[in-house]
Amino acid sequence: LAKTTQPISMDSYEGQEVNITCSHNNIATNDYITWYQQFPSQGPRFIIQGYKTKVTNEVASLFIPADRKSSTLSLPRVSLSDTAVYYCLVGGLTGGGNKLTFGTGTQLKVEL
Amino acid sequence: ETGVTQSPTHLIKTRGQQVTLRCSSQSGHNTVSWYQQALGQGPQFIFQYYREEENGRGNFPPRFSGLQFPNYSSELNVNALELDDSALYLCASSSGTGELFFGEGSRLTVL
Repeated sequence: LAKTTQPISMDSYEGQEVNITCSHNNIATNDYITWYQQFPSQGPRFIIQGYKTKVTNEVASLFIPADRKSSTLSLPRVSLSDTAVYYCLVGGLTGGGNKLTFGTGTQLKVEL
Repeated sequence: ETGVTQSPTHLIKTRGQQVTLRCSSQSGHNTVSWYQQALGQGPQFIFQYYREEENGRGNFPPRFSGLQFPNYSSELNVNALELDDSALYLCASSSGTGELFFGEGSRLTVL
């Protein structure tokens, strides 16, 4: 399983764009990159998933360079409610055995 | 569609006891995985069930066992509880697309 490395914590202010970078040097050819958000005492919630280049949805963008050894989650105009832990995971999409390894995540704190 | 539900939400046990945690997967999802999350740590993969068969296991001892039923709901059983088993236990269901849908978890405290 590919191991990921993220910053332990980040601070930001409301209205700013936040970029969280994740390193995954030994990502496999069939691995996808997925980001989850977790609030205290709740289960993680899917944010975005991608394989290469750029993926955008209503809440975030995911940038993946050509070598796929890293990825960057971009949160536009964060608010206080975006204060949470963000996890970067890599793994396959197959229905069987797609166990995913969560790291310690990045604690994002958004202030006024 | 209904989401993933887990029960109980909180429970307290003593060392040596056994516990069963339950999970109802999201409608249409045939894969269920269980995670243990200690305070301040990321979720750690315990095992996964696909169509009632275990098809992946993390680094957990055999006293952690599970079941998946024909309706794809699942149970996690832990025998001979230890203090270090105190954690949030998360269940996640998926349909094979790689996106996991997590429940709110069961908070287990072992005294």
